[in-house]
Amino acid sequence: AQSVTQPDIHITVSEGASLELRCNYSYGATPYLFWYVQSPGQGLQLLLKYFSGDTLVQGIKGFEAEFKRSQSSFNLRKPSVHWSDAAEYFCAVVPPSGGSYIPTFGRGTSLIVHP
Amino acid sequence: DVKVTQSSRYLVKRTGEKVFLECVQDMDHENMFWYRQDPGLGLRLIYFSYDVKMKEKGDIPEGYSVSREKKERFSLILESASTNQTSMYLCASRLVIGSYNEQFFGPGTRLTVL
Repeated sequence: AQSVTQPDIHITVSEGASLELRCNYSYGATPYLFWYVQSPGQGLQLLLKYFSGDTLVQGIKGFEAEFKRSQSSFNLRKPSVHWSDAAEYFCAVVPPSGGSYIPTFGRGTSLIVHP
Repeated sequence: DVKVTQSSRYLVKRTGEKVFLECVQDMDHENMFWYRQDPGLGLRLIYFSYDVKMKEKGDIPEGYSVSREKKERFSLILESASTNQTSMYLCASRLVIGSYNEQFFGPGTRLTVL
């Protein structure tokens, strides 16, 4: 069965510092990969997604993610964090074929931003 | 923009009550989902509907049922609410079945069962 691991439950950064949130997946083939953000009291919003091609993907709000097949990873990055980036971040994977294409979500990483 | 709305942001019910959570999407999406979100456990799928009157059980369907009579509306029903169903409930929609389609989420309903 496919699985998604977000190893960091919480991450604390200072405003203006760089950020990397980790996501590792376990699946036979390369799945489709998504990052979502959930601001306090809100639903999830898509930041970016990867299917194929260029392994560096640009998203909204200045985020990017890099797919590394050899490491089964899809880490989210931002060069300079803003206080408004404080939120919960979820990585999700979807199998590339067959079935109902049900997403599997990681458990989330909570980002705390210090002024 | 796709909009997914949920009938209540906060709901307080008593043990044993029948509870209805409603979700409406306005973009003619075929797929709709109900998730439960608890701290440290992420999102867990309760039910998935791939079309009107079609449904599949997710990872934690026990104690829940669903109804999808119209394409835009997906209801989650707690037949007899229990305290362990206190949680945040998120509804999502997706255009069609396909790996490349992202989900669109509602704002969530925080349900407290006393």
